[in-house]
Amino acid sequence: QVQLQESGPRLVKPSETLSLSCTVSGVSVTFTNYYWAWIRQPPGGGLEWIGSISYSGNTYYNPSLKSRLSISLDTSQNQFSLRLSSVTAADTASYYCARQLSYNGRLDVWGQGPTVSVSS
Amino acid sequence: DIVMTQSPLSLPVTPGEPASISCRSSQSLLHSDGYNHLDWYLQKPGQSPQLLIYLGSNRAPGVPDRFRGSGSGTDFTLKISRVETEDVGVYYCMEGLQIPFTFGPGTKVEIK
Repeated sequence: QVQLQESGPRLVKPSETLSLSCTVSGVSVTFTNYYWAWIRQPPGGGLEWIGSISYSGNTYYNPSLKSRLSISLDTSQNQFSLRLSSVTAADTASYYCARQLSYNGRLDVWGQGPTVSVSS
Repeated sequence: DIVMTQSPLSLPVTPGEPASISCRSSQSLLHSDGYNHLDWYLQKPGQSPQLLIYLGSNRAPGVPDRFRGSGSGTDFTLKISRVETEDVGVYYCMEGLQIPFTFGPGTKVEIK
């Protein structure tokens, strides 16, 4: 059974960098044709796709976040990670990692989505 | 970006009765591969979203057959043949045609 678990600080100061990792169990992050995605949801709000990384390390970013965003793969830890720099209060949200089964979406397994708050 | 809209935004339902949610996209989601790149997700209260339907009309594994996705191009519908109490939550459509993937605003389904 495939499971995803996010980890990282839950409180980040304004202007600093938000860093989260997603540990994958039950399948290798290098399994052919899988993608690994980050999605966020502000308190009481809707879902926003942040970006994805393919099994081979190709990245796809939301243009609205691209200048501050980095998604990477750590095959030794079977993880993928998110770094979002220069955060503001607007970046406060629940951050979900998810398996993306195809290049065209299909987010079939999701993590728990911890809330990360940006506050001094 | 493709803009996704949903209606209604709030849907009170009676258990055992049918329910229907509409999703529209600002451009056609029909890909050259012949599939509509449209997913449906349900976020139950306090939970992470879960995949219900992919490619417009394909039920994800384990999804009850009372859920049915249909439509093509820019107009899509999610129908629940007989609503059960466990179906409450917020339903989102998401386009997977082009980057960035975008979600609809969500339809909150609650029991009357």
